[in-house]
Amino acid sequence: KAGVTQTPRYLIKTRGQQVTLSCSPISGHRSVSWYQQTPGQGLQFLFEYFSETQRNKGNFPGRFSGRQFSNSRSEMNVSTLELGDSALYLCASSSLGTSGIVDNEQFFGPGTRLTVL
Amino acid sequence: AQKVTQAQTEISVVEKEDVTLDCVYETRDTTYYLFWYKQPPSGELVFLIRRNSFDEQNEISGRYSWNFQKSTSSFNFTITASQVVDSAVYFCALSVWRDDKIIFGKGTRLHILP
Repeated sequence: KAGVTQTPRYLIKTRGQQVTLSCSPISGHRSVSWYQQTPGQGLQFLFEYFSETQRNKGNFPGRFSGRQFSNSRSEMNVSTLELGDSALYLCASSSLGTSGIVDNEQFFGPGTRLTVL
Repeated sequence: AQKVTQAQTEISVVEKEDVTLDCVYETRDTTYYLFWYKQPPSGELVFLIRRNSFDEQNEISGRYSWNFQKSTSSFNFTITASQVVDSAVYFCALSVWRDDKIIFGKGTRLHILP
């Protein structure tokens, strides 16, 4: 079974630009979560999608958005990039149970390292 | 609000020594889940264990063991007979029931010296 894949692995952008990151979950997994990892703030939850609906959102500005497609693949978009957006963006998928995501193990992808210049 | 504290920022031990990584959590919920993840230099988070708040049994998996104590809100992780391949950043995390996000601690960077 293929793991979670994220593309691209590395990305360099300049301030003011926008970026789209992609995440393909493990086959059969319908829940996809996104996390931002920085040296200063550590790992922080961005949002979670299940069946094309955003179910939960972390404390990030509206410049951060996402979506999920019918095949469970997910994209996250960051508009008007700032230097502080430089981070490792991790995606995780899980086979959601009836009681919610926390009942199930989350499988993480390798991440996309975004550098904003 | 939930919070996870990993007071040890960085630890170095010599190979074959035992090492314990501390984790203290805060939550007012009675139903919650605790996790440990390993992040090797490659960057990918590797799931190690999940424990729910109603199961205080300690767990052992090979050289890894976990000590969950609700009385002190701690969920410590011990590696016995450490190996160089154990070098990584280890994250403790918390999630409350019916909340889909995981709150991570800042992580402990573990160096196993040959």
